[in-house]
Amino acid sequence: QKEVEQNSGPLSVPEGAIASLNCTYSDRVSQSFFWYRQYSGKSPELIMSIYSNGDKEDGRFTAQLNKASQYVSLLIRDSQPSDSATYLCAVFGTASKLTFGTGTRLQVTL
Amino acid sequence: DTAVSQTPKYLVTQMGNDKSIKCEQNLGHDTMYWYKQDSKKFLKIMFSYNNKELIINETVPNRFSPKSPDKAHLNLHINSLELGDSAVYFCASSLRAGNYGYTFGSGTRLTVV
Repeated sequence: QKEVEQNSGPLSVPEGAIASLNCTYSDRVSQSFFWYRQYSGKSPELIMSIYSNGDKEDGRFTAQLNKASQYVSLLIRDSQPSDSATYLCAVFGTASKLTFGTGTRLQVTL
Repeated sequence: DTAVSQTPKYLVTQMGNDKSIKCEQNLGHDTMYWYKQDSKKFLKIMFSYNNKELIINETVPNRFSPKSPDKAHLNLHINSLELGDSAVYFCASSLRAGNYGYTFGSGTRLTVV
């Protein structure tokens, strides 16, 4: 079982719709969870962090965490073509390192 | 202005050569990292230094040797380059070791021919 799992996609959503990106993790005692956005040929950019169960909103982005289910998600409201990128889920766990998933490629279509 | 800067941005070299990648951060962070991103876009940690001390050393061939002369710099030297070393290498930093968000450099695309 991979430590951090994501559907590789591509996830295609029309402009203005809600994009829902999901991530599961295996380390039950993981402490912190992050979402990074990576445009093609660029470096990962931190967009959200979440540390406790529930929802955290920042602009059009909402991160959701359910530690009991070992599940973290990212919702992007009013999706724009500029949101088209690969979204990486990252988990900080007992090994004291940030472990990344393989990413979900999001395509926002006009 | 650049927070985490890496040089060079591109590196093309022949098998068997030795090369270095340099990284510098001006964020005042204590902790720096090297990550490798393969052709399938999987980011895997290689090393981490906290205040010049090695704290994470993943299962990486001995041909890879990191060096941190001070907490603002972390370099990566690779000996006897192999085809499988071709990847994008990212340097990153965080405020402290622990569950803090990382800031990544722009990456070094290494191609071994």
